Amino acid sequence: EVVLTQSPATLSLSPGERATLSCRASQSVITHLAWYQHKPGHSPRLLIYEASTRATGVPARFSGSGSGTDFTLTISSLEPEDFAVYFCQHRASWPYTFGHGTKLEIK
Amino acid sequence: QVHLQESGPGLVEPSGTLSLTCNVSGASISLFYWSWIRQPAGKRREWIGRIFGSGTTNYNPSFEHRVTMTVDTSKNQLSLTLTPVTAADTAVYYCARGQQGFSGIYDSWGQGTLVTV
Repeated sequence: EVVLTQSPATLSLSPGERATLSCRASQSVITHLAWYQHKPGHSPRLLIYEASTRATGVPARFSGSGSGTDFTLTISSLEPEDFAVYFCQHRASWPYTFGHGTKLEIK
Repeated sequence: QVHLQESGPGLVEPSGTLSLTCNVSGASISLFYWSWIRQPAGKRREWIGRIFGSGTTNYNPSFEHRVTMTVDTSKNQLSLTLTPVTAADTAVYYCARGQQGFSGIYDSWGQGTLVTV
């Protein structure tokens, strides 16, 4: 199965800064990669699918890029509500698998 | 606005049966596919399988011989059964709705329910 490795495990930034999160696949997933946001006490939220398509209602400061094995989620200017855990997931083959997640915390 | 809510026993005996229900409101179960996903503490999430509104299922091979997923369209409800369970099955279990037109993308999730074995 495909192993997704996210880095860094924790990212400490201040509001207004740019966040860059990485997800690397052990084999090509083409562009079949999604990003989710998860805040404590809330349901996970789909942000990006097919590597770069924003889900409905997701602000434009969130963007995704990449193909093959290397993917990036970028938050252009952090808002206070963006501090959360972000995880990636592929759908290129069964079983679908997930990354460990990156915790984005306030510096 | 779709809402998913998992429910079931929070504690299951080893070698016993884990049974969870996911109540869905705001969307018809029969029009989508649905998945169960779990996250053991400190570990990555695991995709358990998916079920279509028709009842067709696909399971993660890791769970193939222990898992059953069903839908009850009259109650707009999903269910998950896992048996026998071990301590390794202790996790937060989520139900999630698959995005129409895309296999394996989940656009709505429940908050999850912790099951301890």
